[in-house]
Amino acid sequence: AQSVTQLDSQVPVFEEAPVELRCNYSSSVSVYLFWYVQYPNQGLQLLLKYLSGSTLVKGINGFEAEFNKSQTSFHLRKPSVHISDTAEYFCAVTLIIQGAQKLVFGQGTRLTINP
Amino acid sequence: DTEVTQTPKHLVMGMTNKKSLKCEQHMGHRAMYWYKQKAKKPPELMFVYSYEKLSINESVPSRFSPECPNSSLLNLHLHALQPEDSALYLCASSQRGLAGNTDTQYFGPGTRLTVL
Repeated sequence: AQSVTQLDSQVPVFEEAPVELRCNYSSSVSVYLFWYVQYPNQGLQLLLKYLSGSTLVKGINGFEAEFNKSQTSFHLRKPSVHISDTAEYFCAVTLIIQGAQKLVFGQGTRLTINP
Repeated sequence: DTEVTQTPKHLVMGMTNKKSLKCEQHMGHRAMYWYKQKAKKPPELMFVYSYEKLSINESVPSRFSPECPNSSLLNLHLHALQPEDSALYLCASSQRGLAGNTDTQYFGPGTRLTVL
């Protein structure tokens, strides 16, 4: 079965420092991977996705992620964070059930940016 | 436009009330989803509709009743809820929601539900 593990529940970072949020997946078949961000009291916003092709995926707000099949990882990175990046970040993988798709989310990583 | 709208934003209801949550999208998507999100937890899938037919029900209690009147609208009817049902209810949509497609789900802002 497909699942994702986010290795850090909380990541504190100073403003303008680089950050990496880690995500590992388990799957025996083709994977479609996503990163979503959730700002306080809001819904989920798509940051980026890997469906196929180039393993380096660029998303919104300066974020990027690299799909690494050998390490079964899809880590999210940003070279320089801002206070406004403070949010919950979810990694997710698509699972097929009964001919329909569902998203399976990791437990989330809370990114806190300190001035 | 990748907007999914949800109403109301907040809802407070008693355990004997009947209420409904509404979700709407105008992206031409044919798959729509309901998720429940408790505080500090990831969203959990409740229901999936694909081409207006219920395709996944994740063993949700019958006090939650979904309805998909057309391809743009998704409702969640609530009746006799319990305090533990208090959560953020998120709606999402995607192009087709079927196996073999590489869909992307787009989420609405959610309805914050409090059951007293």
